[in-house]
Amino acid sequence: AQSVSQHNHHVILSEAASLELGCNYSYGGTVNLFWYVQYPGQHLQLLLKYFSGDPLVKGIKGFEAEFIKSKFSFNLRKPSVQWSDTAEYFCAVNARRDDKIIFGKGTRLHILP
Amino acid sequence: NAGVMQNPRHLVRRRGQEARLRCSPMKGHSHVYWYRQLPEEGLKFMVYLQKENIIDESGMPKERFSAEFPKEGPSILRIQQVVRGDSAAYFCASSPEGQVLRKQYFGPGTRLTVT
Repeated sequence: AQSVSQHNHHVILSEAASLELGCNYSYGGTVNLFWYVQYPGQHLQLLLKYFSGDPLVKGIKGFEAEFIKSKFSFNLRKPSVQWSDTAEYFCAVNARRDDKIIFGKGTRLHILP
Repeated sequence: NAGVMQNPRHLVRRRGQEARLRCSPMKGHSHVYWYRQLPEEGLKFMVYLQKENIIDESGMPKERFSAEFPKEGPSILRIQQVVRGDSAAYFCASSPEGQVLRKQYFGPGTRLTVT
């Protein structure tokens, strides 16, 4: 069965700091990978996704993620965070053989102004 | 094009009552997914439905929970005889086809509180 592990439950950063949120998954087959974001009081939104091709994926709002197959990782990065990035971030995986998305437990990111 | 709609947004039920949660997918979407988010947990897949069919219910608790997506009208997640442990946020998502290569669009969720 697939599973997703997010390393940090809470992260606090100051504005302009660099961000890296860890995500590891367990599944031996081919996967699609996602990062979702939920801003306070808002819907879950897709930040970026990896299906195939270039393992460095660029998403909205300056976020990017790198798929490292050998490490089963898909870490999210942003070089300089803003106060408006305060949100909860979910890593997710989908095994290509089915239509379920398995989510990690989420990381709450709090940016200090 | 309105997004995925869920109602009610907040639902309070006493133990033993029934909870009915509704999800109206985006226009043109025929696939609906339900997820549950418990406090301090990520979203957990519950069930995947197409119009009039349950495709995958591997995440549904075996008892008291059921889901449907009729030919007309919204998808309904029904919880009978609710218990305190059912308190959670329930999200639905819709997609225009079964493959998640088309991204899933999420609704705002229904927060169920069982007293």
